[in-house]
Amino acid sequence: DGGITQSPKYLFRKEGQNVTLSCEQNLNHDAMYWYRQDPGQGLRLIYYSQIVNDFQKGDIAEGYSVSREKKESFPLTVTSAQKNPTAFYLCASSTSGGRRTDTQYFGPGTRLTVL
Amino acid sequence: DAKTTQPTSMDCAEGRAANLPCNHSTISGNEYVYWYRQIHSQGPQYIIHGLKNNETNEMASLIITEDRKSSTLILPHATLRDTAVYYCIVRVAGYNTNAGKSTFGDGTTLTVKP
Repeated sequence: DGGITQSPKYLFRKEGQNVTLSCEQNLNHDAMYWYRQDPGQGLRLIYYSQIVNDFQKGDIAEGYSVSREKKESFPLTVTSAQKNPTAFYLCASSTSGGRRTDTQYFGPGTRLTVL
Repeated sequence: DAKTTQPTSMDCAEGRAANLPCNHSTISGNEYVYWYRQIHSQGPQYIIHGLKNNETNEMASLIITEDRKSSTLILPHATLRDTAVYYCIVRVAGYNTNAGKSTFGDGTTLTVKP
């Protein structure tokens, strides 16, 4: 089946450790995105990438890093510099590539808890 | 990207139409209106989008005012499974330095009651 996968669904880490969240898509989409969601709030954009080997900071990029070495994959690393990393992390992808309209499709999310 | 304003919460009786409003008074000419919904602890689900014409699909209808400053998402026959947070966003598509960014506000929590 085509879609976006995020793993794991739940992740626990000790404070001070870096952690990498996985996001893979087989939709042949050019663009990929990472959002953070805190309880009762909307989504905030962390990073996005419109093509391979290129990415831009979103609204809350501090303490996070990404890479886009392959079209299918857009891993997010939550570093120890992120002050409050416990949150629900959502990955999305869209066709982009110059089209006038491109719909974002979201993965199931990863809930990160830092102890 | 333009910001959107939505009511915090709404109730709807099962089987009745749910009309969810959204204001986007600063929308620009190349921005589309998108609607998503999020059921608790899941990723947002795409519902519908439009530029200036009204749109309908198997899930919902989207009514956009002529000045494009507001829109309404209509779920024609709401069911209990439509209980979710509904997000209205505006978004530029295409490849440029600002494209791809879309701002999700806090959305409207729709509760469908039996």
